[in-house]
Amino acid sequence: DTGVSQNPRHKITKRGQNVTFRCDPISEHNRLYWYRQTLGQGPEFLTYFQNEAQLEKSRLLSDRFSAERPKGSFSTLEIQRTEQGDSAMYLCASSYHNDEKLFFGSGTQLSVL
Amino acid sequence: SQQGEEDPQALSIQEGENATMNCSYKTSINNLQWYRQNSGRGLVHLILIRSNEREKHSGRLRVTLDTSKKSSSLLITASRAADTASYFCATDADSGAGSYQLTFGKGTKLSVIP
Repeated sequence: DTGVSQNPRHKITKRGQNVTFRCDPISEHNRLYWYRQTLGQGPEFLTYFQNEAQLEKSRLLSDRFSAERPKGSFSTLEIQRTEQGDSAMYLCASSYHNDEKLFFGSGTQLSVL
Repeated sequence: SQQGEEDPQALSIQEGENATMNCSYKTSINNLQWYRQNSGRGLVHLILIRSNEREKHSGRLRVTLDTSKKSSSLLITASRAADTASYFCATDADSGAGSYQLTFGKGTKLSVIP
């Protein structure tokens, strides 16, 4: 059973550096989501793709953040010029079209020093 | 912003007891979901209840929904140590544009003591 896969699991970086995370969704799922979760909080929506089209972006997604999903398969989330406030767990999820149930990956824990 | 608010923030019970968690939300919804998260891991979907449903069961889980009070409860019966996790409610706004964005609460941290 190949669930949602995220790499890397952990990333430590220095402030000002760029980082990129990858998400491989469940292969039949055409919807892909990125969420961010800080300690003691629930996940917060960042962005959503249907196939390769990015259909929604949260106000949380500043211009330092960019997400892509080329060919509607895997997705990458890049953060440029990282700040300490970017430290969080970045979660990817996928779902079938018209299915409200999300399947989450294990997340990428980002620490910005 | 967080739409849902779970109550209590933390709950500690003995194995075999029942655990009840509550969730309140602010806007009209199409459905409400409950997810579980083990420490440092991703979330796992537990159950979904639609706005026109009042109660739903799945195994040891029972979910109720009161749209007039904008609240939901999750009951876990006969709890086990393996149920120790954080539990989140998630709602989709009834925007009429299709539901793809979930808004999560802050979660209830459940500890089941063996």
